[in-house]
Amino acid sequence: GENVEQHPSTLSVQEGDSAVIKCTYSDSASNYFPWYKQELGKGPQLIIDIRSNVGEKKDQRIAVTLNKTAKHFSLHITETQPEDSAVYFCAASTSSNTGKLIFGQGTTLQVKP
Amino acid sequence: DAGITQSPRHKVTETGTPVTLRCHQTENHRYMYWYRQDPGHGLRLIHYSYGVKDTDKGEVSDGYSVSRSKTEDFLLTLESATSSQTSVYFCAISKTQEGGELFFGEGSRLTVL
Repeated sequence: GENVEQHPSTLSVQEGDSAVIKCTYSDSASNYFPWYKQELGKGPQLIIDIRSNVGEKKDQRIAVTLNKTAKHFSLHITETQPEDSAVYFCAASTSSNTGKLIFGQGTTLQVKP
Repeated sequence: DAGITQSPRHKVTETGTPVTLRCHQTENHRYMYWYRQDPGHGLRLIHYSYGVKDTDKGEVSDGYSVSRSKTEDFLLTLESATSSQTSVYFCAISKTQEGGELFFGEGSRLTVL
């Protein structure tokens, strides 16, 4: 079935360094790839997304890249800050055209001051 | 913040008892989803709804049922709770059918003893 694999499961960086989280997906019909950030005790919130007709998208310190041929996409956070510490989820749309998303397993990012 | 309210936020129950979780939205969005979050598994879709009385199964629907009699309410029922259903449950809503942002509630933590 449809699957999204996310790595690493945990990531620790020093404040100011960059962080990269990678995801691969199985459904070649997927065309929408959002990233969600979840802070402790809260629901996930969308931070950036990319569609299949775009290879890269940037929003201030965060960027997402997509390689449709290889079926993988990545989240890049530059100049990390302690408030970036959270759990990050990647997701991919399904081919069923119902708005359903398949999520990765999540990455716990810790930014050390 | 999107107007999504989940209730109860915390519940402890015993194996074999029925449990109903409620999701209430004030956004008038058509699409509603129930996810469960477990360590190492990310967010997995249980059931979703694409309109009043229109629902369908997700990845992990066994042991769960849903109902949507009004646009604003989406109920998740565990007919006979088991320990494997101990989890954090998130409701999400979406305005669009494909490639749209999901807005999540704050979550309902369920413990089945």
